[in-house]
Amino acid sequence: QSVLTQPPSASGTPGQGVTISCSGSSSNIGLNTVDWYQHLPGTAPKLLINSNNYRPSGVPDRFSGSKSGTSASLAISGLLSEDEADYYCAAWDDSLNGVVFGGGTKLTV
Amino acid sequence: MQLVESGGGLVQPGGSLRLSCVASGFTFDDYVMHWVRQVPGKGLEWVSGLSWNGDNIGYVDSVKGRFTISRDNAKKSLYLQMNSLTIEDTALYYCTKDISPIMGNGHMDVWGQGTAVIVSS
Repeated sequence: QSVLTQPPSASGTPGQGVTISCSGSSSNIGLNTVDWYQHLPGTAPKLLINSNNYRPSGVPDRFSGSKSGTSASLAISGLLSEDEADYYCAAWDDSLNGVVFGGGTKLTV
Repeated sequence: MQLVESGGGLVQPGGSLRLSCVASGFTFDDYVMHWVRQVPGKGLEWVSGLSWNGDNIGYVDSVKGRFTISRDNAKKSLYLQMNSLTIEDTALYYCTKDISPIMGNGHMDVWGQGTAVIVSS
């Protein structure tokens, strides 16, 4: 059971948009910023969004993040087949004194 | 920027392993470093992290008292000493770099390819 809650799966057709949710609590998302990671099979996870809505260099602007209260979401617009991957949210948890991840959402395009 | 892990392998329950991670392409002692693992077919789990100078360390509850994280900034290396291993520790272990020098953020912008640990009799 992960500390952060994500839907196990999401899907969309090429060109469409999709949103993945992440729910936490007052000790993690409620106090700290949220990151999103993209994990393609057989590769290392990649930081997609950090600090709620900042895109590291090289990440397309089709990806955007937001946070409200103890929840966050990742929005992907103009879906491409290459976006098919597992997506994880993460945040620092002040009570656990460590990073907590969501269980991951498998995106099918 | 690159991280290369090593030290994984097959070990019996109750045994020990020491994972290593060598960094290149960035100033190693400017950043927090972490270990993150992924059990086959499961999600990501943060295992441990330590600050740039090793003064601030954190562990997930399930490994406290069994795993020890350390770093050698002169060698640009991160380590994870794993003792009293159980079947539940079987996973791919990733070494990661934080964007901050102090603990309390967890923004991991560089990941290694991982080293596999298999605990089995």
